[in-house]
Amino acid sequence: EIVLTQSPGTLSLSPGERATLSCRASQSVSSSYLAWYQQKPGQAPRLLIYGASSRATGIPDRFSGSGSGTDFTLTISRLEPEDFAVYYCQQSRTGVTFGQGTRLEIK
Amino acid sequence: QITLKESGPTLVKPTQTLTLTCTFSGFSLSTSGVGVGWIRQPPGKALEWLALIYWDDDKRYSPSLKSRLTITKDTSKNQVVLTMTNMDPVDTATYYCALHTMVRGENWFDPWGQGTLVTVSS
Repeated sequence: EIVLTQSPGTLSLSPGERATLSCRASQSVSSSYLAWYQQKPGQAPRLLIYGASSRATGIPDRFSGSGSGTDFTLTISRLEPEDFAVYYCQQSRTGVTFGQGTRLEIK
Repeated sequence: QITLKESGPTLVKPTQTLTLTCTFSGFSLSTSGVGVGWIRQPPGKALEWLALIYWDDDKRYSPSLKSRLTITKDTSKNQVVLTMTNMDPVDTATYYCALHTMVRGENWFDPWGQGTLVTVSS
C-alpha cells in the first residue's frame, strides 16, 4: 500500500500570505494519479487538483499543484478567508489512499 | 448536474451488517471510464477509501477491509450499494460516495455526496 504523508500537520497563516502544502509518497506515484481535495467543516471534500497540476472546474487560479515521483506540492498563492480548511492529497496508482491532511488555520 | 446521495441506517449495533446505498443522477455507470467509490471519515479524522466499482463491473477494495466489504451496482436504478459486515464501534464515521472519473490515465473523485453519519453502538 502506498502511504501518503502530508506536512505540516497544521499551517497557521494570515490572509494574503502564500501557503505551501507538501505530500510525500512512500513509493513513486505517476503524476496522473495524484489529486488534492479541500474540506471545510461539515462539508464533503471538494476536488481542487487532479493529475498533480490540473485545476478542477471552477477552482481559482491561486491554487496550483506541482511535483512528481514521490514529492508533490499544493500552493495557494494568496490566501483568501475562504481557503482556511483541511487539505488532503490522494493517490490512485495502487488502490486508493489519502494523506492524513493538513489543517490550514488563520494566524 | 451530477449529484450523489448516500442513504442507510444512522445507527447499527456491533456485529451487525451495514448496508449503504448511493443513488446518483447526471451520469451513467455504464459509461466507459466511470466508477463510484465509497470513502469514510471517522469524526475528527482523515479520509479512508473503502471500495470502488467501475462501469465494467471491475471492483476494488481497501486491502485492510476487503474481507468485510462488498460493492455492487444497479445501473438501471442508478445505484451503488456497499455492505460492510461485522460492524464495530471503530467503524463509526461519515460515509461518502463519490463519482470516480478516469480520463487519459488521470483520475479523480468528483463530485461527492453529502455523506451519511453511521454510529455503531449497542
